[in-house]
Amino acid sequence: SAVISQKPSRDICQRGTSLTIQCQVDSQVTMMFWYRQQPGQSLTLIATANQGSEATYESGFVIDKFPISRPNLTFSTLTVSNMSPEDSSIYLCSAWTGPTEGPTDTQYFGPGTRLTVL
Amino acid sequence: QKEVEQNSGPLSVPEGAIASLNCTYSDRVSQSFFWYRQYSGKSPELIMSIYSNGDKEDGRFTAQLNKASQYVSLLIRDSQPSDSATYLCATRGAGSYQLTFGKGTKLSVIP
Repeated sequence: SAVISQKPSRDICQRGTSLTIQCQVDSQVTMMFWYRQQPGQSLTLIATANQGSEATYESGFVIDKFPISRPNLTFSTLTVSNMSPEDSSIYLCSAWTGPTEGPTDTQYFGPGTRLTVL
Repeated sequence: QKEVEQNSGPLSVPEGAIASLNCTYSDRVSQSFFWYRQYSGKSPELIMSIYSNGDKEDGRFTAQLNKASQYVSLLIRDSQPSDSATYLCATRGAGSYQLTFGKGTKLSVIP
């Protein structure tokens, strides 16, 4: 299993500023992801954090707005840049422990960061 | 465009009854299927995974998969008020590492 922690757990930010969210996993994992979950909605994948290289972004998300780092197999950061009220959401870090079917094929989620932009 | 559809609910069942949650998916090459439970204000928690057609049971939970109909369901027997949560269906395609999530079904178990 993998236990994921995120910092900060919540924040209130001013329009135009940036916030960096940290994600730490207690074990080495194959893949790390960043999701956004807006109130009452499901999870939307922002990007896959690749160790030592640029993240892979989903349609509608760009590196300038959501720069991501993953310097090693257990840590990643997501920055929400030049924030607007539309960025108010819960941001979730996720880790996938393996490519094979069975007990290791589990994607875990961190507790989330609740962001409010004024 | 891969889509996973769920009835948003809310689905209300009395305590002790069977709750039935349904999910359909559009991507025919989906190979792995998951049910996550999300309590209000909390992160999703994996409760069941299923890969082959048929039923898979784990305690009070049974996942059912029918790939021909592109349908997956979750049955919760002897529902408890603590089962009240939003249940998210997710799929993963062959050779893919990304999950596609449905919007979730909100379940309310009435004491």
